[in-house]
Order: sequence, then C-alpha cells, then structure tokens
Amino acid sequence: SAELTQDPAVSVALGQTVRITCQGDILRRFYASWYQQTPGQAPLLVFFGKNNRPPGIPDRFSGSSSGNTASLTITGAQAGDEAVYHCSSRASSTNPNVVFGGGTKLTVL
Amino acid sequence: QVQLQESGPGLVKPSETLSLTCTVSGVSINTGGYYWSWIRQHQGKGLEWIGYIYYTGSTYYNPSLKNRVAISLDPSTNQFSLRLSSVTAADTAIYYCAREYLHTATTYYFDYWGQGTPVTVSS
Repeated sequence: SAELTQDPAVSVALGQTVRITCQGDILRRFYASWYQQTPGQAPLLVFFGKNNRPPGIPDRFSGSSSGNTASLTITGAQAGDEAVYHCSSRASSTNPNVVFGGGTKLTVL
Repeated sequence: QVQLQESGPGLVKPSETLSLTCTVSGVSINTGGYYWSWIRQHQGKGLEWIGYIYYTGSTYYNPSLKNRVAISLDPSTNQFSLRLSSVTAADTAIYYCAREYLHTATTYYFDYWGQGTPVTVSS
C-alpha cells in the first residue's frame, strides 16, 4: 500500500542541524513535498521536489531524496522552527491518491 | 495573491451531510495544472487527504471515504465544494481546502491553503 512513515518526534539544540525523514516506496517514483505546521495554523510549504524552496522560505531549509527516503534538513535551527513537519507525495501515476506522512513534531531545545 | 477561504456550518448532526465551500481568489479555478483539494486533520493528528477536482471536472477521492464524498466545481463563482454524507463523530476535524500544483511529472505540492474550518459532528 502507499504509505509514508515519519518519526513522531525529533529534537534539536538551538543552532544545531536536524534531519527529518520520510520513508515509503512511493518516494522511489515521486518526490516529496514538506510542510511546516505551527499550532492553530494551516500547513506551510517549505520544500518540494528535488531541490526547490518556495519564495520566502529561509535557506536553512533544504531537502534531499535517496531511494525510498526523503529528508528535510534544517541547518542552524531556530526557536521559530519548532513545529510539526509533514511530508506528502502522490502514490503513483496510475493511482493518483495523495499520501501524507504522520507528521514529525520538532522540538528546539 | 492567491487566497483560499473555507466556509460552511461548524456543527453537523450525525447521519447528515457535511457541506463546505472553498472560495478562491487571485486565480481562476478553470486553469490547468491545479488540483483543487480538500484535506482534513483530526485533533492532534496528521493530515488526511479527502480528494480533489481538476478544472475539467475530473475527481479523485481517498478510497477510505470514496462512497461518501463528492467534490464539485463552480467556475461562475470561482468556488469548489465538498459534500460528505452520513457523517459520524469520526468526521469531526479541521477541514482545509488547498491548491495542489503539478510542478513536474514526479513533483506535486500544495502551495496555497485555506485557514481551515473546524467541523464538529454532534447531536
């Protein structure tokens, strides 16, 4: 089945680097997109595709993909980066479901 | 500037139909390359894709909801709508409308979201 798996929680010390991962076989065919969600807010797109950051997103956010794993890296994490991060992808070209991971709660210590 | 805004009742009775509308501004929903989507989020949980409609009227739904969901498009008002029938308490969630963009054949993403509207199913 088309599923994306994320660690439920990750922590990082202020100013350090953290990698948030998303795993699933569908990532062998499609790139992931990444969303930041703070309490009470709608998700915000922070990274997508092979190497794309939307306008206005700080360059400390970067992404990568290898095999069945997509990663979002935050270099020099700030307090304002504390949020839930969701990954998403399409299931396949013949099964156009949209799939979300369960989300990773990032705590900045 | 593209904006999406959900509207509809915040309280629905069990077994009835939930109806929400998303008003889009800043872009025509009759434009190719965009999938007009509904997504929901149960309290404290992850995001759940409900379905989308393309400007041609083609729809695709989450198989787990397929028998109860209908998404429609109204180009005259630049709105699209969600109907979810036979609701239960399990349908209580925040409902978001969003625009999914076909960037390349292997990359899709949701670039614009509504603020979300909470819906409670209760008698």
